[in-house]
Amino acid sequence: QKEVEQNSGPLSVPEGAIASLNCTYSDRGSQSFFWYRQYSGKSPELIMSIYSNGDKEDGRFTAQLNKASQYVSLLIRDSQPSDSATYLCAVNSLRGDKLIFGTGTRLQVFP
Amino acid sequence: EPEVTQTPSHQVTQMGQEVILRCVPISNHLYFYWYRQILGQKVEFLVSFYNNEISEKSEIFDDQFSVERPDGSNFTLKIRSTKLEDSAMYFCASSERNSPLHFGNGTRLTVT
Repeated sequence: QKEVEQNSGPLSVPEGAIASLNCTYSDRGSQSFFWYRQYSGKSPELIMSIYSNGDKEDGRFTAQLNKASQYVSLLIRDSQPSDSATYLCAVNSLRGDKLIFGTGTRLQVFP
Repeated sequence: EPEVTQTPSHQVTQMGQEVILRCVPISNHLYFYWYRQILGQKVEFLVSFYNNEISEKSEIFDDQFSVERPDGSNFTLKIRSTKLEDSAMYFCASSERNSPLHFGNGTRLTVT
């Protein structure tokens, strides 16, 4: 079983719509969860972090965590073409401080 | 805002040569990492470094890899004898304890 799983996409949404990105993880003891955005050829850029069950909102972004279901999601409201990128879900490992990344979901926002 | 800086941005080397990738982490961070990303694949953990020693390493980080913090600011990744399959983007990252990782812009390594 993969440690962090994401649908690779592409997920295509029209400008102004809500994009919903999902992630599941295997280590039940994981405590820290992150969403990174990666443009092609660039480095991962932190968008959101979430540590407890429920929702966390920051501007147009909402992260949702359900530890019982081992599920993390990211909602992007009012999607813009500039949001088109690959979104990486990352989870801390049980053993230490490293992050384990999913393969990423490619989001395409069309005008 | 402080950032992680990596040099060079692109390194081309011949198979069998040694390369050193350099990183300057954010100054008050204590945890340092190297990740790599082969084109079209996921970001993979290589090694983490804390308190002047390796705290964890992956299966990828075999004997041909080494890391060093030669002074108070630099953090280097050395690949002793490069192979074609080492071609990838190499990202350095740093963090405070229990905090998100901040990534540098990466070094694109091309082994010919």
